[in-house]
Amino acid sequence: QKEVEQNSGPLSVPEGAIASLNCTYSDRGSQSFFWYRQYSGKSPELIMFIYSNGDKEDGRFTAQLNKASQYVSLLIRDSQPSDSATYLCAVTRAGNMLTFGGGTRLMVKP
Amino acid sequence: KAGVTQTPRYLIKTRGQQVTLSCSPISGHRSVSWYQQTPGQGLQFLFEYFSETQRNKGNFPGRFSGRQFSNSRSEMNVSTLELGDSALYLCASSLGGQQETQYFGPGTRLLVL
Repeated sequence: QKEVEQNSGPLSVPEGAIASLNCTYSDRGSQSFFWYRQYSGKSPELIMFIYSNGDKEDGRFTAQLNKASQYVSLLIRDSQPSDSATYLCAVTRAGNMLTFGGGTRLMVKP
Repeated sequence: KAGVTQTPRYLIKTRGQQVTLSCSPISGHRSVSWYQQTPGQGLQFLFEYFSETQRNKGNFPGRFSGRQFSNSRSEMNVSTLELGDSALYLCASSLGGQQETQYFGPGTRLLVL
């Protein structure tokens, strides 16, 4: 079992819809959770981070964390074609070692 | 504020050679981490440097090494290159505390022939 699991996709949503991206992790000691977006040929770009159970909103993005279920999600409201990218979930247990999932490819169709 | 910079951006080497990659963190950031990204293995942590000391290390062979200078700039070295070392090498910087947000540079794409 991988430490951080994501559905590879592609996840296809129409423009204006809500995209829901999910991530599960196996290490119960994980403490910090990050979502990065990576366009093809580019480096990862931080979207959001979350440390506590519950929801955290930033503009069109909402991160949700459920430590009991070892589950992190990212919701993208009013999805735009420019949101089409690979979304990487990453966790840290201690220190700054990020453990990444394989990423979910999101396609937003006009 | 300028972002993380990495040089060179592209590199072609042959098997058996060695390579040195450079990373300059965001001004004020004291921690530099290195990651390898390949299509098969995804993004994997190599090591982290803070205050010129290796603070964390991933599961890579000893051919992969790094160092950090007093101005927080970092280099990583790969000796005796193998075909499987072809990858995008990413550097990320953070302020220096634990579990802090890391910001990635544009990466160095290494091709080993």
